[in-house]
Amino acid sequence: GAGVSQSPRYKVAKRGQDVALRCDPISGHVSLFWYQQALGQGPEFLTYFQNEAQLDKSGLPSDRFFAERPEGSVSTLKIQRTQQEDSAVYLCASSPIASTGAVGKLFFGSGTQLSVL
Amino acid sequence: KQEVTQIPAALSVPEGENLVLNCSFTDSAIYNLQWFRQDPGKGLTSLLLIQSSQREQTSGRLNASLDKSSGRSTLYIAASQPGDSATYLCAVPPMDSNYQLIWGAGTKLIIKP
Repeated sequence: GAGVSQSPRYKVAKRGQDVALRCDPISGHVSLFWYQQALGQGPEFLTYFQNEAQLDKSGLPSDRFFAERPEGSVSTLKIQRTQQEDSAVYLCASSPIASTGAVGKLFFGSGTQLSVL
Repeated sequence: KQEVTQIPAALSVPEGENLVLNCSFTDSAIYNLQWFRQDPGKGLTSLLLIQSSQREQTSGRLNASLDKSSGRSTLYIAASQPGDSATYLCAVPPMDSNYQLIWGAGTKLIIKP
């Protein structure tokens, strides 16, 4: 596709459920980022992939959060045993270049709004 | 630790005015600074990226300046239009990471017709 695609657009989960959020980056983009954005705040970094390698997962808030990008294209962010504090917008971004030195221009998807009841 | 602040949190101006959005950062040792736009219910769109060696970048009616020594960047919007209404965020990469960005909370801009 022409841009970064995320699905589902909205997800409502009961506390304790597992959820999986999908990101289709722009074809050929090497770098893929996941961010969490709370209402009225800037995004918070979760994790970074360079192709299929997860080079930084320091932003994942707990071991309930897991991300993968097995073939270096589509990525999935999985949240196990969801809690109310997980409610946020989850944004995916991609970049055509590897992040060496510093992050360059990013292309964002529209995000998945997760609500945990 | 790098901190990024954007003031004001919200701004409302009449159509046609020129305006300036502010972004300040605490650590002047930065590689670059990016300005983004976020429309409600949508992701972010990169507007301008200024490398640390540059003083400004221009794209259409947008001009972003960077003063590293004072820890400030401004986004100048000329002849504002209702379609410019959005939240504008700035972000810088921290020196201790190749992969992260430190974000401001954004300025919500409303252009009144």
